[in-house]
Amino acid sequence: AQTVTQSQPEMSVQEAETVTLSCTYDTSENNYYLFWYKQPPSRQMILVIRQEAYKQQNATENRFSVNFQKAAKSFSLKISDSQLGDTAMYFCAFMKHLWGIQGAQKLVFGQGTRLTINP
Amino acid sequence: DTEVTQTPKHLVMGMTNKKSLKCEQHMGHRAMYWYKQKAKKPPELMFVYSYEKLSINESVPSRFSPECPNSSLLNLHLHALQPEDSALYLCASSQVLQNTGELFFGEGSRLTVL
Repeated sequence: AQTVTQSQPEMSVQEAETVTLSCTYDTSENNYYLFWYKQPPSRQMILVIRQEAYKQQNATENRFSVNFQKAAKSFSLKISDSQLGDTAMYFCAFMKHLWGIQGAQKLVFGQGTRLTINP
Repeated sequence: DTEVTQTPKHLVMGMTNKKSLKCEQHMGHRAMYWYKQKAKKPPELMFVYSYEKLSINESVPSRFSPECPNSSLLNLHLHALQPEDSALYLCASSQVLQNTGELFFGEGSRLTVL
């Protein structure tokens, strides 16, 4: 079974600093997706960034980038120039294909990292 | 329209009540999901619907009854719940064809069982 581990329950940085959130996973699959989702106090889960396992290039989305190390099964998220609005719970997630069910997926989530950006 | 809309946002019910949670999306997604999230925990998958058919039931107690009346609507019927069922219930949807892997989540319905 796939597992996702986030070893940092909480992190706190000053505004404008760079912060890196760690994530490791375990799977025997060769093709899969990895995600970082953000859940602010407003509760809605929002996709931050997505990485396809067969792509060697690390994904980037504006201030957000990942360091994807497939052999090490590591998928960390770097937030540059952090902003107050980045304060949220961040979940690393692995997409497991539901074989036999066309298109439907099961997201396996890590336990989350609560990130606080201080003014 | 990239929204998943959930109603109600808050619900308080007694253990003998019958209530329903509603989820709606108009993105043409043919996969819809119910997740349960306890405080400070990650979401846990409950049900998956694909093409309006129940595809996955993650061993959820029968006091939770899902329903997908059409491709845009997903309901979760609640009956004889327990206080430990108090949680945030999240609905999500995704594409089936040309699947990018992304799930679109609603804001959730926060349920309190007294």
